[in-house]
Amino acid sequence: DIVMTQSPGSLAVSLGERATINCKSSQSVLYASNNKNYLAWYQQKPGQPPKLLIYWASTRESGVPDRFSGSGSGTDFTLTISNLQAEDVAIYYCQQYYGTPPYTFGQGTKLEIK
Amino acid sequence: EVQLLESGGGLVQPGGSLRLSCAASGFTFSSYAMTWVRQVPGKGLEWVSVIYSGGSTTYYAESVKGRFTIFRDNSKNTLYLQMNSLRVEDTAVYYCAKDYSPIGGSGYVDYWGQGTLVTVSS
Repeated sequence: DIVMTQSPGSLAVSLGERATINCKSSQSVLYASNNKNYLAWYQQKPGQPPKLLIYWASTRESGVPDRFSGSGSGTDFTLTISNLQAEDVAIYYCQQYYGTPPYTFGQGTKLEIK
Repeated sequence: EVQLLESGGGLVQPGGSLRLSCAASGFTFSSYAMTWVRQVPGKGLEWVSVIYSGGSTTYYAESVKGRFTIFRDNSKNTLYLQMNSLRVEDTAVYYCAKDYSPIGGSGYVDYWGQGTLVTVSS
């Protein structure tokens, strides 16, 4: 199975600043035939189910603010939250969906306000 | 509006069985793969199982393979997870989730239920 490792485990960022969360896969999730990275990001707020933010590593889901952006390719990916807002406090998860399942998640990164 | 409503959770002894249900509405259920994801309270997400739209193709996490069975009734717009030989480590909130794309199984999900808590304890 592909192992997803996120870093840091938690971070505190000031309002209006930028938060950067990293995700590394144990093998490439880039499918050469279509040049797509099979990587999604989710946001989970306390007491709520996760919410899809980004898929194909960099495509924002409809309705997600453009301060959320995804980047990276192959095995290394980044979720960047610019101009951090109070409502962005949450735990963020990456997930790979490459090949046949299982489609594993990272362990999560807890984002707080400094 | 897409809605997913899980039920069937509860307290069960180790070695016991439980069947979870997920009633779906607001979309063409029979066209989408469906996934179960679980989360130990206060911990991270664990992908459990997926079933493709027709119901004949299924996959499982190694941790539940041979003990859990995912199936669906497209005539009732309902997804199920039959859990046998339950262990203490199966204690978690179980979420059902809808696949993003109606074409095959995309792997990522766009709608989640609120979850149902399964507690395995003696």
